[in-house]
Amino acid sequence: NAGVTQTPKFRILKIGQSMTLQCTQDMNHNYMYWYRQDPGMGLKLIYYSVGAGITDKGEVPNGYNVSRSTTEDFPLRLELAAPSQTSVYFCASSYDTDRIYEQYFGPGTRLTVT
Amino acid sequence: GQQLNQSPQSMFIQEGEDVSMNCTSSSIFNTWLWYKQDPGEGPVLLIALYKAGELTSNGRLTAQFGITRKDSFLNISASIPSDVGIYFCAGVNTGNQFYFGTGTSLTVIP
Repeated sequence: NAGVTQTPKFRILKIGQSMTLQCTQDMNHNYMYWYRQDPGMGLKLIYYSVGAGITDKGEVPNGYNVSRSTTEDFPLRLELAAPSQTSVYFCASSYDTDRIYEQYFGPGTRLTVT
Repeated sequence: GQQLNQSPQSMFIQEGEDVSMNCTSSSIFNTWLWYKQDPGEGPVLLIALYKAGELTSNGRLTAQFGITRKDSFLNISASIPSDVGIYFCAGVNTGNQFYFGTGTSLTVIP
């Protein structure tokens, strides 16, 4: 199993550009999550999904959109990039059982908006 | 949003020493989690705690779910160089929302 994979690893965007961060998991997890991690801070939840076709906002959803058309994929879209979105983005997935809290994280995407 | 206070912010210790860190909150959580993050990697789950008062071990790591449900502790015994990294706590509330601490950076000096 590859686990949770994320692409790209690094990206530099100009203000106002858009991009999609890709996330794929091969563990057949129903639950998937997007977090951002700012320097010296803990992770903050952006969006999450409890299954294909179902998404919900987390703590910091503004400026982002998500979709979940398959169990495996959970892309995160930035429509109009702003410097405040410079961060490291982590995708995670978990079981929808009593192990729901045991999240498996991808390696992250480091995004800089200038 | 919910704030978890994690302390200390950083630690520099000699190899072989024991390490203690803690996480406190103003709110109650139903689950406490401890993660380790290596540079350039995503967090990896170390220990999950599901009941107030619970004490759980994973090798040299021991974590406790505080009785008040507002705090948790992580101890590492006999530290080794590969323990270097950033340790994060996370609390999960009744609404299944996750809140992460700001991390404890651990440096182990051989």
